[in-house]
Amino acid sequence: GENVEQHPSTLSVQEGDSAVIKCTYSDSASNYFPWYKQELGKRPQLIIDIRSNVGEKKDQRIAVTLNKTAKHFSLHITETQPEDSAVYFCAAGEIIQGAQKLVFGQGTRLTINP
Amino acid sequence: EAQVTQNPRYLITVTGKKLTVTCSQNMNHEYMSWYRQDPGLGLRQIYYSMNVEVTDKGDVPEGYKVSRKEKRNFPLILESPSPNQTSLYFCASSLRYHYEQYFGPGTRLTVT
Repeated sequence: GENVEQHPSTLSVQEGDSAVIKCTYSDSASNYFPWYKQELGKRPQLIIDIRSNVGEKKDQRIAVTLNKTAKHFSLHITETQPEDSAVYFCAAGEIIQGAQKLVFGQGTRLTINP
Repeated sequence: EAQVTQNPRYLITVTGKKLTVTCSQNMNHEYMSWYRQDPGLGLRQIYYSMNVEVTDKGDVPEGYKVSRKEKRNFPLILESPSPNQTSLYFCASSLRYHYEQYFGPGTRLTVT
């Protein structure tokens, strides 16, 4: 089955700097790679996702890159702000008949220092 | 208001006592899923459902059952809970082929 490794487990950056979180996956059949943000005591929320036929996707200060050959994908947050502080989860999996079978990484606790 | 609801939000129970955690969504979503969240392990998918009467196993289905008799409801059943099922449980839903999952508020379960 799929196995997802996420690094680093904690990340601390100065406000305004960039943050990068990396994930690797094992199953070449995986074709869907979402990123979720979870603030303390809250439910996870999707912030960006990418399909396997796309190498990069950007949404304002957030971007995700995918290297299918190397089986890794990364989340890039630029111009970080205090509200970016949260735990971020990557996931990899298959879309099956419109449903998602996902395996998540262990999470990265991002702290933005003012 | 579009939402996913879970009940109960908190539950303390004893080993072996059957329990059900309910999940309901009012967005007419076809896809629903259950996850458990444990420190250092992230989110792990338990079961998912593509539509009424169609369910499949996720990564950690052992010790859990689900049913999808109605589109809006997807209950999680623990027939004989054990302490290793102590966890924070999330239900989520999305439109089929639209992949943003909407998560419920979570159910914190403690099995003693």
